[in-house]
Amino acid sequence: QFVLTQPPSVSAAPGQNVTISCSGSSSNIGSYYVSWYQQLPGKAPKLLIYDNNRRPSGIPDRFSGSKSVTSATLGITGLQTGDEADYYCETWNSSLTVGRVFGGGTKLTVL
Amino acid sequence: EVQLLESGGGLVQPGGSLRLSCAASGFTFTSYAMSWVRQAPGKGLEWVSAMSGSGGSTHDITYYADSVKGRFTISRDNSKKTLYLQMNSLRAEDTAVYYCARETLLTYNEYSDIDYWGQGTLVTVSS
Repeated sequence: QFVLTQPPSVSAAPGQNVTISCSGSSSNIGSYYVSWYQQLPGKAPKLLIYDNNRRPSGIPDRFSGSKSVTSATLGITGLQTGDEADYYCETWNSSLTVGRVFGGGTKLTVL
Repeated sequence: EVQLLESGGGLVQPGGSLRLSCAASGFTFTSYAMSWVRQAPGKGLEWVSAMSGSGGSTHDITYYADSVKGRFTISRDNSKKTLYLQMNSLRAEDTAVYYCARETLLTYNEYSDIDYWGQGTLVTVSS
């Protein structure tokens, strides 16, 4: 259903590190920058990472992004309970449906 | 401080119409493209529509997701710093929270991101 594939859920304990993957194709991730958004429960999404690995002002360096060929990864180090949220990858798609596309989202649970 | 405040959501019957509004403040409204993004209950994000800013050669160009093309119309009133989404022929699958969002560029393209989001307004399509 979603052009970009994310795991439905990941979990880790406070203080640990976690990665969230986002898999696409040459028509999207393989050709364009990837962004990541964090959505806390009941809140609007928030830009976390843009241009694959850049952080907006105010985003702590515990959050990082990377991209390799047709996949992208969001990394979070030193997990905090406040990081429990849904995370979405996003990029541009140039095949069939042209425009911005989101992944299905990953629910991060901090145990 | 950038603020986006949506309004106009509510309950509407299938086939009905609704107009959403988004009042913007804290930035030069004409210098940015704007988007609508929706989220069905318990589901992920779906980009719906965008409109370029009102500068240069990209004056007021509109873009739509295939799922709403021909039924939804995006517009903006720069004098009121307000973005609109006119939704016609509504279907049950249009039920979602609709977010107003600011793009990072004047134009909506592969280089733009969304840097600010409103809090959303809920649209429920049901008989």
